[in-house]
Amino acid sequence: IVLTQSPGTLSLSPGERATLSCRASQSAGSSYLAWYQQKPGQAPRLLIYGASSRATGIPDRFSGSGSGTDFTLTISRLEPEDFAVYYCQQYGSSPHTFGQGTKLEIK
Amino acid sequence: EVQLVQSGAEVKKPGESLKISCKGSGYSFSSYWIGWVRQMPGKGLEWMGIIYPGDSETRYNPSFQGQVTISADKSITTAYLQWSSLKASDTAMYYCARRPNGFDYWGQGTLVTVSS
Repeated sequence: IVLTQSPGTLSLSPGERATLSCRASQSAGSSYLAWYQQKPGQAPRLLIYGASSRATGIPDRFSGSGSGTDFTLTISRLEPEDFAVYYCQQYGSSPHTFGQGTKLEIK
Repeated sequence: EVQLVQSGAEVKKPGESLKISCKGSGYSFSSYWIGWVRQMPGKGLEWMGIIYPGDSETRYNPSFQGQVTISADKSITTAYLQWSSLKASDTAMYYCARRPNGFDYWGQGTLVTVSS
């Protein structure tokens, strides 16, 4: 399954709403879709699993939605620490592929 | 506290072999899949494969099948990623991560540099 994330880069200001997209080439299977955040020099951090469930300790400004082949990560009000690269991953069909990433940068 | 602690950075020459490790603690190591993820310099994440330490069932990304070997020793709660003959193109950061739903805990990464 190929995951295509859009946009490649998103330029926004703190306080704005961010909407990131992840489209699968075929169904990821019953919402086996995760979102990760990665900051420079750090390992990725799980934000969302099962397409819409927040991982432990993740603020509620992060939300995930979608099913089948179209998924969205929404950050309701951007905080300065949210500017990073975001990846989606499907884990319903091996290999458990990642998208190519969306870089969220400060405008 | 769940922790995955990876072995340190490596500098190798092309053609050399290498085995890096990922030691789990703070949870039932045998009961969770452990995966390996490659990140080449300045690039995205690539899923290499995954192993279930309880019975050593392993699944590989076809892109990495035959290029690496994933193994685990549940008696010492450690997973491994190994190469028999490194190439310059294996230069990357390698992460291990635990999978219940997605990867919830990650190691700190092992930087592998292959250069003559």
